[in-house]
Amino acid sequence: AQKVTQAQTEISVVEKEDVTLDCVYETRDTTYYLFWYKQPPSGELVFLIRRNSFDEQNEISGRYSWNFQKSTSSFNFTITASQVVDSAVYFCALTWNRDDKIIFGKGTRLHILP
Amino acid sequence: DTGVSQNPRHKITKRGQNVTFRCDPISEHNRLYWYRQTLGQGPEFLTYFQNEAQLEKSRLLSDRFSAERPKGSFSTLEIQRTEQGDSAMYLCASGLAMATLHFGNGTRLTVT
Repeated sequence: AQKVTQAQTEISVVEKEDVTLDCVYETRDTTYYLFWYKQPPSGELVFLIRRNSFDEQNEISGRYSWNFQKSTSSFNFTITASQVVDSAVYFCALTWNRDDKIIFGKGTRLHILP
Repeated sequence: DTGVSQNPRHKITKRGQNVTFRCDPISEHNRLYWYRQTLGQGPEFLTYFQNEAQLEKSRLLSDRFSAERPKGSFSTLEIQRTEQGDSAMYLCASGLAMATLHFGNGTRLTVT
């Protein structure tokens, strides 16, 4: 079965702290793609990153970084020096076939406190 | 690129009524997806199109739900005989390839 688990329902941290959002996935396929999306209070889902199953290199984009580990089926997302504007719900997602649908985890609600 | 547009933004209807939502994708995108999102949950896949062909329909979608994408451009999602359990945010997304989906702001449906 294909599945995405985000065990952290809600996280609160004080501004400027680092925070890591966990994502664990399940898939039988050897070819798959993983994503992170952000959903701010305005409601629109904003694409953050895509990673394919053959590329385990970690990626950094400004204050955001992603750690992909096939051995543990995890694709974790770290925000460094968090800011209040990072407050949102973050979704990890998976597709196991480039022509197929994306399935989402239940999301992690992140509160950055000033 | 004006983004994915969904109308209306909000819809309140009485149980038993029919409703129709519209999605205008980014013009060069050949794939269009419908998702449903309830409070505290992630988006759930409903159906998707490649051009005008509906390629997959979720088992979540009862016979009361139908989607179309005539001419491979905009899409409509119709819910017949609405029920209170249909209350949710309905999200549309489009893309050139599955790898990156661009989402609209959604249509929030409230069934009273």
